[in-house]
Amino acid sequence: GENVEQHPSTLSVQEGDSAVIKCTYSDSASNYFPWYKQELGKRPQLIIDIRSNVGEKKDQRIAVTLNKTAKHFSLHITETQPEDSAVYFCAAPGGTSYGKLTFGQGTILTVHP
Amino acid sequence: SAVISQKPSRDICQRGTSLTIQCQVDSQVTMMFWYRQQPGQSLTLIATANQGSEATYESGFVIDKFPISRPNLTFSTLTVSNMSPEDSSIYLCSVGDTGAANEKLFFGSGTQLSVL
Repeated sequence: GENVEQHPSTLSVQEGDSAVIKCTYSDSASNYFPWYKQELGKRPQLIIDIRSNVGEKKDQRIAVTLNKTAKHFSLHITETQPEDSAVYFCAAPGGTSYGKLTFGQGTILTVHP
Repeated sequence: SAVISQKPSRDICQRGTSLTIQCQVDSQVTMMFWYRQQPGQSLTLIATANQGSEATYESGFVIDKFPISRPNLTFSTLTVSNMSPEDSSIYLCSVGDTGAANEKLFFGSGTQLSVL
């Protein structure tokens, strides 16, 4: 099955700085890579995703990059704000098993004002 | 995206008892899943809830412990049976996007279960 590794486990930045979280996956057949944000006591929220036919996708201050050859993808958050503080999870489906996601271990992002 | 309602939102249960969690979606969805999130941990897929047939369980999860029902395309239940403190987790219902790609996954609000 799919194996997803996520780093770092914790990340602390100053407001306005950029934050980068990286994930690697094992199944070369995986073709869809979502990122979720989970605030304390809340459900995971899908914030951005990328399909394997593109290398980068942006949505305002967040972007995801994908390197299929190296089997890794990254989340980039620019101009961080305190409300970006949360746990972020990457995931991969292990082939085309839609909905059957394998999640990374999570990154606790803290943005200091 | 679909609105996913889960209940109860939280419960405290005694060892050896069972709890049934309900998940209601406001539109018909093809794919419905149950995930578990142990305290401070990531999310792990328990099973795929199949409409009209038995659920498909992931490695490490069995039907006797986590029976699942899915009588129609908008509703599912997960039962946590014969509970022990190790079952203390957040249980999350999730559905696939109703769009053409059907690959985006959205989560219900979760059920926080504590077993004493």
